[in-house]
Amino acid sequence: GAGVSQSPRYKVAKRGQDVALRCDPISGHVSLFWYQQALGQGPEFLTYFQNEAQLDKSGLPSDRFFAERPEGSVSTLKIQRTQQEDSAVYLCASSFGQGATNEKLFFGSGTQLSVL
Amino acid sequence: KQEVTQIPAALSVPEGENLVLNCSFTDSAIYNLQWFRQDPGKGLTSLLLIQSSQREQTSGRLNASLDKSSGRSTLYIAASQPGDSATYLCAAPNSGGYQKVTFGTGTKLQVIP
Repeated sequence: GAGVSQSPRYKVAKRGQDVALRCDPISGHVSLFWYQQALGQGPEFLTYFQNEAQLDKSGLPSDRFFAERPEGSVSTLKIQRTQQEDSAVYLCASSFGQGATNEKLFFGSGTQLSVL
Repeated sequence: KQEVTQIPAALSVPEGENLVLNCSFTDSAIYNLQWFRQDPGKGLTSLLLIQSSQREQTSGRLNASLDKSSGRSTLYIAASQPGDSATYLCAAPNSGGYQKVTFGTGTKLQVIP
Protein backbone atom coordinates (compact mmCIF):
# COMPACT_ATOMS: atom_id res chain seq x y z
CA GLY A 1 0.00 0.00 0.00
CA ALA A 2 0.88 3.66 -0.16
CA GLY A 3 1.50 4.03 3.55
CA VAL A 4 1.42 2.25 6.89
CA SER A 5 -2.13 1.28 7.74
CA GLN A 6 -3.39 0.56 11.25
CA SER A 7 -6.75 -0.75 12.42
CA PRO A 8 -8.93 -0.17 14.23
CA ARG A 9 -8.50 3.58 14.45
CA TYR A 10 -10.20 3.65 17.86
CA LYS A 11 -10.79 0.85 20.33
CA VAL A 12 -12.72 1.00 23.59
CA ALA A 13 -12.28 -1.99 25.87
CA LYS A 14 -13.59 -2.89 29.27
CA ARG A 15 -10.95 -3.61 31.86
CA GLY A 16 -9.96 -7.25 31.62
CA GLN A 17 -10.80 -7.65 27.92
CA ASP A 18 -8.27 -8.82 25.36
CA VAL A 19 -7.59 -6.59 22.35
CA ALA A 20 -5.75 -7.04 19.04
CA LEU A 21 -4.31 -4.17 17.06
CA ARG A 22 -3.30 -4.60 13.44
CA CYS A 23 -0.56 -3.01 11.38
CA ASP A 24 -0.07 -3.24 7.61
CA PRO A 25 3.41 -1.86 6.82
CA ILE A 26 4.49 -0.45 3.51
CA SER A 27 4.90 -3.33 1.08
CA GLY A 28 8.45 -4.66 1.03
CA HIS A 29 9.55 -2.99 4.25
CA VAL A 30 11.78 -5.29 6.26
CA SER A 31 11.67 -3.51 9.61
CA LEU A 32 8.54 -2.99 11.70
CA PHE A 33 8.24 -1.23 15.04
CA TRP A 34 5.51 -0.78 17.62
CA TYR A 35 5.47 2.32 19.82
CA GLN A 36 3.17 3.39 22.65
CA GLN A 37 2.33 7.07 23.05
CA ALA A 38 0.71 8.34 26.22
CA LEU A 39 -1.13 11.65 26.17
CA GLY A 40 1.31 14.57 25.96
CA GLN A 41 4.36 12.33 25.68
CA GLY A 42 6.64 11.19 22.89
CA PRO A 43 6.27 7.64 21.58
CA GLU A 44 7.96 4.90 23.61
CA PHE A 45 9.49 1.85 21.93
CA LEU A 46 7.72 -1.46 22.47
CA THR A 47 9.11 -4.01 20.04
CA TYR A 48 10.95 -4.51 16.74
CA PHE A 49 10.64 -7.07 13.94
CA GLN A 50 13.02 -7.77 11.11
CA ASN A 51 10.89 -9.68 8.63
CA GLU A 52 9.15 -12.32 10.78
CA ALA A 53 11.77 -12.37 13.52
CA GLN A 54 11.07 -10.42 16.69
CA LEU A 55 14.56 -9.16 17.51
CA ASP A 56 13.76 -6.86 20.38
CA LYS A 57 10.81 -6.89 22.76
CA SER A 58 12.51 -5.04 25.57
CA GLY A 59 9.92 -2.26 25.60
CA LEU A 60 6.86 -4.43 26.18
CA PRO A 61 5.61 -3.32 29.60
CA SER A 62 4.40 -6.70 30.81
CA ASP A 63 3.78 -10.29 29.75
CA ARG A 64 0.22 -9.23 28.91
CA PHE A 65 1.63 -7.66 25.75
CA PHE A 66 2.41 -9.90 22.80
CA ALA A 67 3.31 -9.07 19.21
CA GLU A 68 3.71 -11.21 16.12
CA ARG A 69 4.50 -10.87 12.43
CA PRO A 70 4.20 -14.46 11.20
CA GLU A 71 4.74 -13.91 7.47
CA GLY A 72 7.00 -10.89 7.66
CA SER A 73 4.36 -8.39 6.57
CA VAL A 74 1.24 -7.73 8.67
CA SER A 75 1.80 -7.47 12.41
CA THR A 76 -0.57 -7.80 15.34
CA LEU A 77 -0.09 -6.38 18.82
CA LYS A 78 -2.19 -8.21 21.38
CA ILE A 79 -2.90 -7.01 24.87
CA GLN A 80 -4.44 -9.48 27.28
CA ARG A 81 -6.53 -8.57 30.33
CA THR A 82 -6.36 -4.86 29.55
CA GLN A 83 -5.81 -2.40 32.39
CA GLN A 84 -6.57 1.32 32.53
CA GLU A 85 -2.87 2.14 32.33
CA ASP A 86 -2.81 0.52 28.89
CA SER A 87 -4.85 3.43 27.54
CA ALA A 88 -2.67 5.13 24.94
CA VAL A 89 -2.12 5.52 21.22
CA TYR A 90 -0.32 2.55 19.71
CA LEU A 91 1.78 3.49 16.70
CA CYS A 92 3.26 1.20 14.11
CA ALA A 93 6.22 2.20 11.95
CA SER A 94 8.14 0.52 9.15
CA SER A 95 11.34 1.11 7.24
CA PHE A 96 12.74 -0.41 4.07
CA GLY A 97 15.90 -2.02 5.39
CA GLN A 98 17.61 -2.86 8.63
CA GLY A 99 18.69 0.54 9.80
CA ALA A 100 20.94 2.13 7.23
CA THR A 101 21.91 5.66 8.11
CA ASN A 102 19.67 7.25 5.48
CA GLU A 103 16.51 5.28 6.17
CA LYS A 104 13.40 7.08 7.28
CA LEU A 105 10.74 5.66 9.55
CA PHE A 106 7.18 5.75 8.21
CA PHE A 107 4.40 5.80 10.78
CA GLY A 108 0.76 4.83 10.65
CA SER A 109 -1.99 6.98 12.13
CA GLY A 110 -2.15 4.81 15.22
CA THR A 111 -4.82 3.03 17.23
CA GLN A 112 -6.21 4.97 20.15
CA LEU A 113 -7.01 2.48 22.91
CA SER A 114 -9.24 3.50 25.80
CA VAL A 115 -9.70 1.03 28.65
CA LEU A 116 -12.69 1.75 30.87
CA LYS B 1 20.37 4.48 27.24
CA GLN B 2 19.60 7.37 24.94
CA GLU B 3 17.68 10.28 26.45
CA VAL B 4 16.21 13.06 24.33
CA THR B 5 15.05 16.45 25.56
CA GLN B 6 13.19 19.12 23.62
CA ILE B 7 12.93 22.78 24.50
CA PRO B 8 10.60 24.64 24.60
CA ALA B 9 7.65 22.36 25.36
CA ALA B 10 5.29 24.85 23.71
CA LEU B 11 5.72 27.87 21.50
CA SER B 12 3.27 30.43 20.16
CA VAL B 13 4.38 32.84 17.43
CA PRO B 14 2.73 35.25 15.01
CA GLU B 15 2.56 34.25 11.38
CA GLY B 16 5.68 35.12 9.40
CA GLU B 17 8.19 34.73 12.21
CA ASN B 18 11.28 32.58 11.93
CA LEU B 19 11.70 30.14 14.79
CA VAL B 20 14.06 27.54 16.22
CA LEU B 21 13.18 24.32 18.00
CA ASN B 22 15.84 22.61 20.09
CA CYS B 23 16.64 18.97 20.69
CA SER B 24 19.40 17.51 22.87
CA PHE B 25 20.48 13.90 23.25
CA THR B 26 22.79 12.15 25.71
CA ASP B 27 24.42 9.46 23.57
CA SER B 28 26.32 11.15 20.76
CA ALA B 29 27.24 7.87 19.05
CA ILE B 30 24.27 8.21 16.70
CA TYR B 31 24.21 7.45 12.99
CA ASN B 32 21.30 9.78 12.23
CA LEU B 33 18.64 11.97 13.78
CA GLN B 34 15.10 12.52 12.56
CA TRP B 35 12.60 15.29 12.99
CA PHE B 36 8.90 14.45 12.83
CA ARG B 37 5.67 16.39 12.78
CA GLN B 38 2.53 15.17 14.54
CA ASP B 39 -0.88 16.71 13.99
CA PRO B 40 -3.59 16.16 16.64
CA GLY B 41 -5.00 12.64 16.47
CA LYS B 42 -2.60 11.66 13.71
CA GLY B 43 0.54 9.64 13.32
CA LEU B 44 4.02 11.02 12.77
CA THR B 45 5.26 12.41 9.48
CA SER B 46 8.99 12.39 8.83
CA LEU B 47 10.24 15.89 8.02
CA LEU B 48 14.00 15.62 7.86
CA LEU B 49 16.64 12.97 8.47
CA ILE B 50 20.23 14.03 9.08
CA GLN B 51 22.91 11.40 8.74
CA SER B 52 25.81 11.53 11.19
CA SER B 53 28.17 12.54 8.38
CA GLN B 54 26.02 15.60 7.61
CA ARG B 55 25.72 18.83 9.52
CA GLU B 56 22.40 19.96 8.15
CA GLN B 57 19.47 19.12 5.90
CA THR B 58 17.00 21.42 4.21
CA SER B 59 13.49 20.90 2.88
CA GLY B 60 11.61 23.96 1.75
CA ARG B 61 11.26 26.33 4.71
CA LEU B 62 12.72 23.76 7.11
CA ASN B 63 16.37 23.41 8.02
CA ALA B 64 17.71 20.94 10.56
CA SER B 65 21.24 20.97 11.92
CA LEU B 66 23.14 18.35 13.87
CA ASP B 67 26.09 18.81 16.24
CA LYS B 68 27.04 15.39 17.53
CA SER B 69 29.87 16.61 19.72
CA SER B 70 27.54 18.77 21.77
CA GLY B 71 24.58 16.39 21.53
CA ARG B 72 22.29 18.94 19.92
CA SER B 73 20.04 19.37 16.94
CA THR B 74 17.93 22.34 15.92
CA LEU B 75 14.98 22.67 13.58
CA TYR B 76 14.67 26.07 11.96
CA ILE B 77 11.35 27.06 10.42
CA ALA B 78 11.41 30.12 8.20
CA ALA B 79 8.45 32.43 7.60
CA SER B 80 6.08 30.39 9.75
CA GLN B 81 2.50 29.78 8.58
CA PRO B 82 -0.65 28.74 10.47
CA GLY B 83 -0.42 25.39 8.71
CA ASP B 84 2.85 24.76 10.54
CA SER B 85 0.92 24.46 13.81
CA ALA B 86 1.61 20.96 15.13
CA THR B 87 3.84 19.09 17.57
CA TYR B 88 7.42 18.61 16.43
CA LEU B 89 9.35 15.63 17.72
CA CYS B 90 12.98 14.70 17.34
CA ALA B 91 14.18 11.12 17.53
CA ALA B 92 17.69 9.79 18.12
CA PRO B 93 18.68 6.13 17.77
CA ASN B 94 19.80 3.84 20.55
CA SER B 95 22.65 1.42 20.04
CA GLY B 96 21.54 -1.85 18.51
CA GLY B 97 22.20 -1.71 14.82
CA TYR B 98 18.66 -0.87 13.79
CA GLN B 99 16.37 2.14 14.08
CA LYS B 100 15.28 1.75 17.66
CA VAL B 101 14.82 5.42 18.31
CA THR B 102 14.11 7.44 21.42
CA PHE B 103 11.76 10.39 21.05
CA GLY B 104 11.67 13.66 22.88
CA THR B 105 8.39 14.83 24.36
CA GLY B 106 7.99 17.32 21.54
CA THR B 107 7.48 21.04 21.05
CA LYS B 108 3.88 22.09 20.48
CA LEU B 109 3.90 24.96 18.01
CA GLN B 110 1.04 27.36 17.41
CA VAL B 111 1.34 29.91 14.60
CA ILE B 112 -1.19 32.69 15.02
CA PRO B 113 -2.62 34.26 11.86
